Amino acid sequence: DGGITQSPKYLFRKEGQNVTLSCEQNLNHDAMYWYRQDPGQGLRLIYYSQIVNDFQKGDIAEGYSVSREKKESFPLTVTSAQKNPTAFYLCASKITGTRAYNEQFFGPGTRLTVL
Amino acid sequence: AQSVTQLGSHVSVSEGALVLLRCNYSSSVPPYLFWYVQYPNQGLQLLLKYTSAATLVKGINGFEAEFKKSETSFHLTKPSAHMSDAAEYFCAVMQAAGNKLTFGGGTRVLVKP
Repeated sequence: DGGITQSPKYLFRKEGQNVTLSCEQNLNHDAMYWYRQDPGQGLRLIYYSQIVNDFQKGDIAEGYSVSREKKESFPLTVTSAQKNPTAFYLCASKITGTRAYNEQFFGPGTRLTVL
Repeated sequence: AQSVTQLGSHVSVSEGALVLLRCNYSSSVPPYLFWYVQYPNQGLQLLLKYTSAATLVKGINGFEAEFKKSETSFHLTKPSAHMSDAAEYFCAVMQAAGNKLTFGGGTRVLVKP
């Protein structure tokens, strides 16, 4: 089955620790995205990547970092510089190019709680 | 810059009643429009999308939406609500030239028996 996997489902960390969230896709999509979801605020874009070894900041990139070394993988690191990291994090991917109108596909999400 | 407004953060409907979720967008160029559904602690699932073909778009689970350029709207409807429709719904817009989505704040639907 093709899709997007995110692990772990739930993650607990102590304040001041960096933590890395995993996102893997086997859809052969070029573009990948990270969103943060807080109650009542919809989804906000953290980082996105349209091709391997390249990525751009989204609307709320401060305190986060990413890498895109492989087409299938787009891990997100939440650093200690992120002031309020507790949230639900969603990864997505999408076809680009001539079928750019196609939708983004979403993973099941990771709920991060910082204690 | 484009933006999306969803009127009403919470909507309550009776089982069997019409579901109407409102979405208005602002965009400098004709956009692509999407409705997604999210069940608790899950990712988003596409309900339907508008990509400049027919203005009335049919999606999964009996939902449909109509693109009205003059009103810059893309409201989502379902004639008869089912208990399984209880979820949060997000409207999103993407400019034709880009690959980024801008989401509305979401509308949580409660279905009463």
